Amino acid sequence: DTEVTQTPKHLVMGMTNKKSLKCEQHMGHRAMYWYKQKAKKPPELMFVYSYEKLSINESVPSRFSPECPNSSLLNLHLHALQPEDSALYLCASSQGRGARNQPQHFGDGTRLSIL
Amino acid sequence: ILNVEQSPQSLHVQEGDSTNFTCSFPSSNFYALHWYRWETAKSPEALFVMTLNGDEKKKGRISATLNTKEGYSYLYIKGSQPEDSATYLCVLGGSNYKLTFGKGTLLTVNP
Repeated sequence: DTEVTQTPKHLVMGMTNKKSLKCEQHMGHRAMYWYKQKAKKPPELMFVYSYEKLSINESVPSRFSPECPNSSLLNLHLHALQPEDSALYLCASSQGRGARNQPQHFGDGTRLSIL
Repeated sequence: ILNVEQSPQSLHVQEGDSTNFTCSFPSSNFYALHWYRWETAKSPEALFVMTLNGDEKKKGRISATLNTKEGYSYLYIKGSQPEDSATYLCVLGGSNYKLTFGKGTLLTVNP
């Protein structure tokens, strides 16, 4: 079982809906990540939070809004998404600040479909 | 933009065969190399993180080597089992928190 829990596992929403993806970890990790993964392609980094502060935003459209309420939780708020936003959204966490040499622990992902 | 190349893209082997795949990356400004295993419908699982030239790591029947001077890493699986079937991702750890993912090698082990 993964130590990073993502909910929901599947989400279908219309382009005008507002929904949120949630991610939780209790490993004491202080860096958390959102990735987007399209079929047959590697994950693409979207956002990185370090010690509950946004440290990287990979030029993600504003219809995706991340939030880190505390060190264990990471949310991704969705509004006015487009059909091309349909993908698997992966959350990950790692220890401390130096993630380049720390393994990331991934959740199982949320499969998002935009109608 | 960093380029992480993995080969082959896919591989079919018989149960009991040993196999290996390659990851190549720019040798300049190297920080760390990760290998992840990603089974269908599951989350990617970290196998190894390697930082030093000449590093060799082992986990059961799986091992990996690293050559940072020439920019490559090999992943070896000894005596493949059907449960080894997965996509194996090579990932370069760069500045800040960014990881650059290769496209993966899809391994299928036939019983």
